[in-house]
Amino acid sequence: GAVVSQHPSRVICKSGTSVKIECRSLDFQATTMFWYRQFPKQSLMLMATSNEGSKATYEQGVEKDKFLINHASLTLSTLTVTSAHPEDSSFYICSASVGTPSSYEQYFGPGTRLTVT
Amino acid sequence: EDQVTQSPEALRLQEGESSSLNCSYTVSGLRGLFWYRQDPGKGPEFLFTLYSAGEEKEKERLKATLTKKESFLHITAPKPEDSATYLCAVQAEGYQKVTFGIGTKLQVIP
Repeated sequence: GAVVSQHPSRVICKSGTSVKIECRSLDFQATTMFWYRQFPKQSLMLMATSNEGSKATYEQGVEKDKFLINHASLTLSTLTVTSAHPEDSSFYICSASVGTPSSYEQYFGPGTRLTVT
Repeated sequence: EDQVTQSPEALRLQEGESSSLNCSYTVSGLRGLFWYRQDPGKGPEFLFTLYSAGEEKEKERLKATLTKKESFLHITAPKPEDSATYLCAVQAEGYQKVTFGIGTKLQVIP
């Protein structure tokens, strides 16, 4: 199966600082990458969808100036949480997909646990 | 708006006790229904994609089925290592977004 990596797996930062999370598709080129956040006992909430070389599409209620997404290549997308606050503490997961006429599966990274103190 | 409802929220089975998880959905034109397995503190692991009513897919002790309104994930003779949260998700025709359910947390007791 397709492999997606995320780095770092855990990060602790102080309130007011920025944190960058990387998402890479290791053995395939991803036409689209997605960023989710997940709170305990809740479903995955889509934050934004990004296509290589174009601006990300953010879901309603997600601040695009706070959660900066860059999709520089077909194998790399980054999420930067700017001026982080304790309420941004969460589990962030990226996924990557290869769309074909017959399938459109998403493959997920292992997630990044962000704690803002 | 697409909706996915999974039941039960939690399920506790004895090892070898077969059961089914339910995923009810509403979507304006189904492109695909997905099942994932998620272990604590990890990202979801892809299991199946189903595209049309009547379709079935199997993988080891898991079998996924699809109707026009719901999908079932059947677990036959589960083992403790099958313990995880199972997520169902749908994607509508013409859209990239995938909508997830809250999941069913399965615990298999030896």
